[in-house]
Amino acid sequence: EAGVTQSPTHLIKTRGQQATLRCSPISGHTSVYWYQQALGLGLQFLLWYDEGEERNRGNFPPRFSGRQFPNYSSELNVNALELEDSALYLCASSADRLNTEAFFGQGTRLTVV
Amino acid sequence: RKEVEQDPGPFNVPEGATVAFNCTYSNSASQSFFWYRQDCRKEPKLLMSVYSSGNEDGRFTAQLNRASQYISLLIRDSKLSDSATYLCVVNKGSGNTGKLIFGQGTTLQVKP
Repeated sequence: EAGVTQSPTHLIKTRGQQATLRCSPISGHTSVYWYQQALGLGLQFLLWYDEGEERNRGNFPPRFSGRQFPNYSSELNVNALELEDSALYLCASSADRLNTEAFFGQGTRLTVV
Repeated sequence: RKEVEQDPGPFNVPEGATVAFNCTYSNSASQSFFWYRQDCRKEPKLLMSVYSSGNEDGRFTAQLNRASQYISLLIRDSKLSDSATYLCVVNKGSGNTGKLIFGQGTTLQVKP
């Protein structure tokens, strides 16, 4: 069974550009979570989607946004990129909104130059 | 005070040693608790869920103390391959806010 998949694996953008990161959850999972992990730091919660709706949001500016599609895959968009947005962006999925165990994808490493 | 606190370590132990990690959380309404393992520059992988009654999986034992808002992970007979960062994870609040809060992680180095 395929796990959580994320694309692209690596992404290099210049300051001010927009980045789009994609995530496909484990088949049958309806909840998708996005986390940011800057180098040497812990995981910071970004967004949670369940059943196509945004259910919760972390302390990030509005230029971080996303959506969940009918097939439960998800996109994270980061507008007006700043150098400090460089980080590993991790997507996780879980079977339902009861927050059973979450499983992570391999992440997208975003570098802003 | 951080919502989930862990001693960052590093814990340097010889092979075969027993090592214990502790974690405290601030929200008494937290419902679910987990330990994840993260290798350098890789994604976190679920190690085990933590139940009130305590649970064991091979060399790994997890305990939860709700009264003290404290979670522990015990690793017996450490192997070189156990070297990693161990993340304590708490589901913040009741009613499922969908916000798993991660501790900063505890680094374990097992040496030959």
